[in-house]
Amino acid sequence: GAVVSQHPSRVICKSGTSVKIECRSLDFQATTMFWYRQFPKKSLMLMATSNEGSKATYEQGVEKDKFLINHASLTLSTLTVTSAHPEDSSFYICSARVRTSTDTQYFGPGTRLTVL
Amino acid sequence: DQQVKQNSPSLSVQEGRISILNCDYTNSMFDYFLWYKKYPAEGPTFLISISSIKDKNEDGRFTVFLNKSAKHLSLHIVPSQPGDSAVYFCAASAISAGGTSYGKLTFGQGTILTVHP
Repeated sequence: GAVVSQHPSRVICKSGTSVKIECRSLDFQATTMFWYRQFPKKSLMLMATSNEGSKATYEQGVEKDKFLINHASLTLSTLTVTSAHPEDSSFYICSARVRTSTDTQYFGPGTRLTVL
Repeated sequence: DQQVKQNSPSLSVQEGRISILNCDYTNSMFDYFLWYKKYPAEGPTFLISISSIKDKNEDGRFTVFLNKSAKHLSLHIVPSQPGDSAVYFCAASAISAGGTSYGKLTFGQGTILTVHP
């Protein structure tokens, strides 16, 4: 149980284009999903918290107009990197929180974005 | 402001021996702690967690110890296996007094564990 998928696993795009990454909880309903970014040899950096049916909460320093997050259902959240530039190249990972008395998050496999 | 710290960037252990991964935190509001294992180009995999009402939680070869007064936790893996070689992240969360929480996890920098055959 608690499987989270991400699609695509890898994407290469030209500078200036927009890229959408999907995050799905496959066997549970996730009222809250999280989007992280990981730089090489660095820890996971939380970008935003996505709550179903409401606006995402962004961490300080993360541009909400640059990274659009939609959480339209209890099993799907999407991250759209708008007008991508080479500095947006990174490993993006989503997680979904299992709503119990604890805060265990289960992570997707990640998406490697390369902007040329 | 690194609220969760893993001061050892790497650890090398012989197969069959114990691996001890350490983690320190500064935020006294943290009351739920997790360990994740991560391979390159993959998402983290949940290993084990512990609530602040406990000082030990065990699951198979993995045991997590929590010392609240020292704001320190550790993950013990015994016996270590070559397949355990990966990056290990500790993470912390603050659960409000009401039993619900924002759910935000704060991660340490990670420790690269290498288990030699």
